[in-house]
Amino acid sequence: QVQLQESGPRLVKPSETLSLTCTVSGGSIGIYSLTWIRQLPGKGLEYIGYFSYSRGPRYNPSLKSRVTISADTSKNQFSLNLRSVTAADTAIYYCTRERYNYGTAFDIWGQGTMVTVSS
Amino acid sequence: DIQMTQSPSSVSASVGDRVTITCRASQGVSTWLAWYQQKSGKAPNLLIYAVSTLQSGVPSRFSGSGSGTEFSLTISSLQPEDSAIYYCQQGNGFPYTFGQGTKVEIK
Repeated sequence: QVQLQESGPRLVKPSETLSLTCTVSGGSIGIYSLTWIRQLPGKGLEYIGYFSYSRGPRYNPSLKSRVTISADTSKNQFSLNLRSVTAADTAIYYCTRERYNYGTAFDIWGQGTMVTVSS
Repeated sequence: DIQMTQSPSSVSASVGDRVTITCRASQGVSTWLAWYQQKSGKAPNLLIYAVSTLQSGVPSRFSGSGSGTEFSLTISSLQPEDSAIYYCQQGNGFPYTFGQGTKVEIK
């Protein structure tokens, strides 16, 4: 059973880069995509982007200028980098598995990691 | 972006009641519609994908229906463990988007 686990700093200063890692255990993402989604405090869910081994990365246009998602195959890890953060980027960040054959649904989620942007 | 609008924003019902949540898309999303349940302090959990297909392990009291721009999630007989926030999500237009959520409470 594939499991996902986010890790990284919980506190980031404004204007710096938020960097998170998603570690995949119990298998691999394989033909599916690894997606990052965030949940702003008390609000809904926002799609950040995905990494696919066959198609590469793709990002939400609203964040595209600041975000990079990459993969380290040897470690079975995926990374999220979000540059020039502000308080508006304070959120719970989730990595998920995106199943295109489910009509693009997210069937496996990490537990999420809360990141606060503050000086 | 495709906007997803859920109604109601919250509902309070008794154990055994039938509860229906509606999700409307700003444009057609074909059958690329999923529903998630999020309990307090936990990650969302996939309940239904492709409008009406129940994810493995999800109780059969949950069902989904709809097409085009109008969709619904129904809990046929509400149970105490169903207290949560429910989100719809479209996977047809990029970026994929979620509804704002519907909070289901037990009376």
